[in-house]
Amino acid sequence: DQQVKQNSPSLSVQEGRISILNCDYTNSMFDYFLWYKKYPAEGPTFLISISSIKDKNEDGRFTVFLNKSAKHLSLHIVPSQPGDSAVYFCAAMMGNQFYFGTGTSLTVIP
Amino acid sequence: EAQVTQNPRYLITVTGKKLTVTCSQNMNHEYMSWYRQDPGLGLRQIYYSMNVEVTDKGDVPEGYKVSRKEKRNFPLILESPSPNQTSLYFCASSLTLPSEKLFFGSGTQLSVL
Repeated sequence: DQQVKQNSPSLSVQEGRISILNCDYTNSMFDYFLWYKKYPAEGPTFLISISSIKDKNEDGRFTVFLNKSAKHLSLHIVPSQPGDSAVYFCAAMMGNQFYFGTGTSLTVIP
Repeated sequence: EAQVTQNPRYLITVTGKKLTVTCSQNMNHEYMSWYRQDPGLGLRQIYYSMNVEVTDKGDVPEGYKVSRKEKRNFPLILESPSPNQTSLYFCASSLTLPSEKLFFGSGTQLSVL
C-alpha cells in the first residue's frame, strides 16, 4: 500500500510563474520529508528537505511546506524556469527506510 | 569526482539465470540502498545497509539478495530472476542517517525475458 502519494502525474507551468507540486502521506511516524528531481536517463538528485518538527524550509527558488495535521507536503518553485522541467519525487523517511511517491512530471513552458 | 557507479547500465537476461548488478561509491558513505522504479509505483526500496556486514530489508526484498563486504560496494543479486523483476534499478548512498541526502547512481535497466 502506497504510504506516500503524488496524485498529479503531470503539471505544466509558464516560465516565470509558480509551480506547486503536492504530496500526501499516511504514516504520522515519518521523520523527514524530501524532494528529489529526476531528468531522463539520470538518477534522482536531492533538492530540498524538511524535518517533521518544522513547517517550512526554503532554499533559493525552492520552498517546501509541511502540514502535519493534513499529512500534506508541497514544493513551491518560484520563479519556474525551463531547466526545472523534470520528474519530481517526494519521499519520506522513517528510521532507516525511505518511501517515495510515484512522481510528478513538471513541464515549464518558455 | 564524487559519484555512485552502477553496472551494467542495461541488461537483458532470461528467467532463472543468476545475475549481479554492481554498485560502488567513492564518498566513504556508510549508508547504501537499492531501489526499483516501476510505472505508477514510483521508487520502492529493496534493501539497505547501514555499514559493512549490516544489511536489512526494505519494502520489496522478495527475490533479491545483497551483501556489504566492503564499505564502498553494495551489489544486488538476483539468484533466479523472473519477468516481474523487469524494472529500472537505482543504487544510492548517504554519509550517515538521519542525513537525508541520498546520492543516486544513473540506474540499471533490467529486462527479464
